[in-house]
Amino acid sequence: QQQVKQSPQSLIVQKGGIPIINCAYENTAFDYFPWYQQFPGKGPALLIAIRPDVSEKKEGRFTISFNKSAKQFSLHIMDSQPGDSATYFCAALGGSYIPTFGRGTSLIVHP
Amino acid sequence: GAVVSQHPSRVICKSGTSVKIECRSLDFQATTMFWYRQFPKQSLMLMATSNEGSKATYEQGVEKDKFLINHASLTLSTLTVTSAHPEDSSFYICSARDGSPLHFGNGTRLTVT
Repeated sequence: QQQVKQSPQSLIVQKGGIPIINCAYENTAFDYFPWYQQFPGKGPALLIAIRPDVSEKKEGRFTISFNKSAKQFSLHIMDSQPGDSATYFCAALGGSYIPTFGRGTSLIVHP
Repeated sequence: GAVVSQHPSRVICKSGTSVKIECRSLDFQATTMFWYRQFPKQSLMLMATSNEGSKATYEQGVEKDKFLINHASLTLSTLTVTSAHPEDSSFYICSARDGSPLHFGNGTRLTVT
């Protein structure tokens, strides 16, 4: 499988902080980059996604920044809340390639 | 949005028995579905890619005779864990593609006693 490197592995912020999770990919054939949010005992839920023709996408408090030349993308969570505490996975999809996932980031938002 | 339904959410079985897990795409047709296994606090480990009307493609190290996958229709894929052993206890998750987005079921917690 093509690799997607995700960092950090874990992240702790205070309520209202802006956690940032980063991912880097290798295969330039990937053309769709989603982020998933997973709560314990549940399946991952699609949070937000971006294509390489844009550099930023916002949905509510969640923003993806995309740097095509660097083959990197990141998730920013504005005004983070304790309810945002979850594991976040980035992924890369494209063509006939099997979807590739990062290793996940465990986010804790303290009240 | 697209919904993937996975059933059952939890199952407990005895060693040596078989368990079937269903994955349905409720409002879209999925020519490809994926089955994952997830260990506590770890990432998603791809087990196999399930294509409608053809044999599944298994990842290296996954026993195809133990984890039987059937994708008989565009909305249903099943994973059967045959002759289950305690080491098969895990969280199994399916996913299906609706164009680019990949949508996940809510997972099945399998406990083999």
